[in-house]
Amino acid sequence: EAGVVQSPRYKIIEKKQPVAFWCNPISGHNTLYWYLQNLGQGPELLIRYENEEAVDDSQLPKDRFSAERLKGVDSTLKIQPAELGDSAVYLCASSIGANTQYFGPGTRLTVL
Amino acid sequence: TQLLEQSPQFLSIQEGENLTVYCNSSSVFSSLQWYRQEPGEGPVLLVTVVTGGEVKKLKRLTFQFGDARKDSSLHITAAQPGDTGLYLCAGARTSYDKVIFGPGTSLSVIP
Repeated sequence: EAGVVQSPRYKIIEKKQPVAFWCNPISGHNTLYWYLQNLGQGPELLIRYENEEAVDDSQLPKDRFSAERLKGVDSTLKIQPAELGDSAVYLCASSIGANTQYFGPGTRLTVL
Repeated sequence: TQLLEQSPQFLSIQEGENLTVYCNSSSVFSSLQWYRQEPGEGPVLLVTVVTGGEVKKLKRLTFQFGDARKDSSLHITAAQPGDTGLYLCAGARTSYDKVIFGPGTSLSVIP
């Protein structure tokens, strides 16, 4: 069974540019999470979806970050415009309800 | 202020040694999880503990949940280079709360 797929794996952009990350969860997993992980830290939740509904986006900086999960499967996380402090690893995870979360390999973003 | 504290932050040991890492909080958790994360990968769940005082074993790894459900420990016996990674604890205060991660302990096992 395929795991959580994320792309791209690495992205380098200049500040003020837009960037988008894509996540394909495990088939059948209705819950999808986007996390931000800074170097030497644990993941921090940005947004959680139940099917296509964002049920917790309290930690998503809505002035520059947006996310969507059309049709309740794949999801895209966007940053526009990117700032230097956005450099981090962006992790996607999926689960069936509140059960075990399975993480993708992450996208490492570097903002120059 | 971190809701979950982990110690030590870094640990470097020789192959064959034993070690214990800790996860502490001032809050009570309904469940705690331990993950291992290797460089360039996402965290992988090792175990979930839900009962105060619970002890779970996974081969050379022993996990314990404190009686008051505020802390947990992970003990590794005879560490191997393959144990190298970032060990994260994570918890939910209720079954409806989001899971919160600690900052992790970075373990390096030297052959």
